[in-house]
Amino acid sequence: DIQVTQSPSTLSASVGDRVTITCRASQTISTWLAWYQQKPGEAPKLLIYEASTLESGVPSRFSGSGSGTEFTLTISSLQPDDFATYYCQQYSSYSLWTFGQGTKVEIK
Amino acid sequence: QVQLVESGGGVVQPGGSLRLSCAASGFTFSTYGMHWVRQAPGRGLEWVAVVWYDGTSIYYADSVKGRFTISRDNSKNTLYLQMNSLRADDTAVYYCARRRAAGRAPFDYWGQGTLVTVSS
Repeated sequence: DIQVTQSPSTLSASVGDRVTITCRASQTISTWLAWYQQKPGEAPKLLIYEASTLESGVPSRFSGSGSGTEFTLTISSLQPDDFATYYCQQYSSYSLWTFGQGTKVEIK
Repeated sequence: QVQLVESGGGVVQPGGSLRLSCAASGFTFSTYGMHWVRQAPGRGLEWVAVVWYDGTSIYYADSVKGRFTISRDNSKNTLYLQMNSLRADDTAVYYCARRRAAGRAPFDYWGQGTLVTVSS
């Protein structure tokens, strides 16, 4: 089974900061990785897919990179609306989908 | 617009059963693979099960295999999750989600979730 490990689990940052979250897969998944944002009481929202493709309507301050087993989500300048929990997800397998443990971005 | 609306959650005793539904609208339901994902209180997302667009392929997470059954009725645009032998650790918000395309694709639309509480 493909495992995905996210780090850090919590991140404290200020408005305007550049923020980076890392996701590592236990085996190569090419670029079959997505990033989601979740706010309290809401469903997850797709931000990025195929490791680096921005979903329609998502602000350009979000970007993704990586391939194989190492991936990053970057927020270039953190905005008040960005304080949330972020999850990576591998979808390389056709029979098992796995999420990272999540990264909570908190106000510093 | 695409809408996914879950229902059927509630409080159930350990060992009991519950059936969740997910009503889909705004897209051609019969052409999309559909998933269930759950989130225990204060925890992360856990993929539960998938059913292919035509029902021909079905997969489960090990944690629910043999206890949960995913199904769909394309004539009613509805996804189901039959949950039997429920345990306390099945307590979670259950989301249905659409897989964007056939094959390898992310989940592009999610429902608002329905809460299942397993407690005596």
